[in-house]
Amino acid sequence: KAGVTQTPRYLIKTRGQQVTLSCSPISGHRSVSWYQQTPGQGLQFLFEYFSETQRNKGNFPGRFSGRQFSNSRSEMNVSTLELGDSALYLCASSFRGRTTEAFFGQGTRLTVV
Amino acid sequence: AQRVTQPEKLLSVFKGAPVELKCNYSYSGSPELFWYVQYSRQRLQLLLRHISRESIKGFTADLNKGETSFHLKKPFAQEEDSAMYYCALYGANAGGTSYGKLTFGQGTILTVHP
Repeated sequence: KAGVTQTPRYLIKTRGQQVTLSCSPISGHRSVSWYQQTPGQGLQFLFEYFSETQRNKGNFPGRFSGRQFSNSRSEMNVSTLELGDSALYLCASSFRGRTTEAFFGQGTRLTVV
Repeated sequence: AQRVTQPEKLLSVFKGAPVELKCNYSYSGSPELFWYVQYSRQRLQLLLRHISRESIKGFTADLNKGETSFHLKKPFAQEEDSAMYYCALYGANAGGTSYGKLTFGQGTILTVHP
């Protein structure tokens, strides 16, 4: 079966702009989680969506938001971009979110200049 | 609060030597522990989970609740084991705050020299 797909793979944005990243989970998976990966902070949990509802949220400012559609595809949005938002953004899908196995996408590399 | 610590950022061994990647955790309940691996230019993928007690690619990991550790071991390292390894924790009994959330360590880069 097809894996988790993230688009685009690379993005360059200017400070102050906003950006939307997309994640298509494995077919049948209803939970999508997002992570930010940076050299300094490592992998940090952003939020989790299940059946179009945000069930969990990490410790990030309100500029980071997301949503999930009825087909389980998810988007995350970052508004008013800052240089520190430059990172690899990963999404992971699982069947229910409480299961013990998550499958990761390749990530979207965001560079803010 | 839950925390995962991988004390070594870098670990170098020679091919055929034993390797141990350390992982310590802090969690008040009964955690589920995982090892994820990221090979060069590849996505993060699950290597092991403690509940299945399996050996994958020659790697094993035992959960030691007394020492709150989940070290990854392999008796004879291979060059293809060179990768970034992450230890991760899922706090299954944390209620709503656990949904979809893995807490990762900072990762250990393993280099196996020929």
